[in-house]
Amino acid sequence: QKEVEQDPGPLSVPEGAIVSLNCTYSNSAFQYFMWYRQYSRKGPELLMYTYSSGNKEDGRFTAQVDKSSKYISLFIRDSQPSDSATYLCAGMKTSYDKVIFGPGTSLSVIP
Amino acid sequence: GAVVSQHPSWVICKSGTSVKIECRSLDFQATTMFWYRQFPKQSLMLMATSNEGSKATYEQGVEKDKFLINHASLTLSTLTVTSAHPEDSSFYICSAGPWTSGNNEQFFGPGTRLTVL
Repeated sequence: QKEVEQDPGPLSVPEGAIVSLNCTYSNSAFQYFMWYRQYSRKGPELLMYTYSSGNKEDGRFTAQVDKSSKYISLFIRDSQPSDSATYLCAGMKTSYDKVIFGPGTSLSVIP
Repeated sequence: GAVVSQHPSWVICKSGTSVKIECRSLDFQATTMFWYRQFPKQSLMLMATSNEGSKATYEQGVEKDKFLINHASLTLSTLTVTSAHPEDSSFYICSAGPWTSGNNEQFFGPGTRLTVL
């Protein structure tokens, strides 16, 4: 079993839609949870960084972590064509540890 | 956020040659850097952990004699792919973090695309 799992998609939504991206993880030692956005042929860009369970909001993005169910979510409100990218969820045991990535979900926002 | 750079961004080489990729932390010191590899349409997989002043720690299945890592200073780690072959063609990405109080995020470089002919 992979440590972080997510549906690879592709996911296609109309502009303005609310996007819901989900991940599950198996490593109970994970304390930090991240969402990265990766455009084609670019390095991953950190979108959200969360410690333990809870919600975190930043502009149009909201991340949720439920450690009891080992479930991670990212919501994108008012999606834009520029949000079209691959979204990678990830976990870490400590803040200076290696990042374990999920396989990524490909998102297309259609104008 | 903190900035991590990589050089070169793109390299093509002949089979059997060696290629060096640099990873730099531009505005912070990094005692630890990580090297990842990403094949097309796949996620990032950790190759090794680079520690300043000591030997790198390699993940299972990664050949340490083929992928040489040197972390000579607090702002620079290098990955050398020795005797490269076409199957080594991939996107190589490094990461590091300031890991000071108040900033424990990890930042990724822009990646280096290696094509071995």
